[in-house]
Amino acid sequence: EVQLVQSGPEVKKPGESLRISCKGSGFTLSNYWINWVRQKPGKGLEWMGRIDPLDSYTHYYSPSFQGHITISADKSINTAYLQWSSLKASDSAIYYCTRLNDFWSANYWGQGTLVTVSS
Amino acid sequence: DIVLTQSPLSLPVTPGEPASISCRSSQSLLHSNGNNYLDWYLQKPGQSPQLLIYLGSNRASGVPDRFSGSGSGTDFTLRISRVEAEDVGVYYCMQSVQSSSFTFGPGTRVEIK
Repeated sequence: EVQLVQSGPEVKKPGESLRISCKGSGFTLSNYWINWVRQKPGKGLEWMGRIDPLDSYTHYYSPSFQGHITISADKSINTAYLQWSSLKASDSAIYYCTRLNDFWSANYWGQGTLVTVSS
Repeated sequence: DIVLTQSPLSLPVTPGEPASISCRSSQSLLHSNGNNYLDWYLQKPGQSPQLLIYLGSNRASGVPDRFSGSGSGTDFTLRISRVEAEDVGVYYCMQSVQSSSFTFGPGTRVEIK
């Protein structure tokens, strides 16, 4: 069974760094593009970026997030990551990882990771 | 960036009745390979989103046949032939024709009258 299992909720202070993870099971992560999607409380979905875990060098970022986040992957442990070097309060949200199929559709989603940034 | 607009943003529905949601794009989503890169997703309350329709009109695995997608270019429609109580939630369209930058629509909240 294909699953994306994300790391648990995080509470951080502004300016702190953070890395959240997304572990694939039931498939080989390096064979699929992985997306990250943000959802602020009570709001809609925002596409953040995606990575090709096969080489970890091919990735794209939404202009809204470029420079503020880094998407990476470790194919040896079938895991993708989303990280920040300096969090802001406005980064408080649920973050989803998704697996893309051959038609760029997100046919598998993780359960989401809640990130709370507050002083 | 491609901008997607959805209408309506809120849709009260009666079980057993049909419903439809529109998604319009600021640019054509028709790729040179003939595919329209437009998906529909449903986020049920408290859950992760799930894929309903891909490439504009193809039902994802396990999706009931009461859901259908149509359209091409810049105008797309999601139809539910007979709404059931379990269909409540927020429906999003998403474009992926611009491979370097995907975008979601604002979402349409479907609720039972």
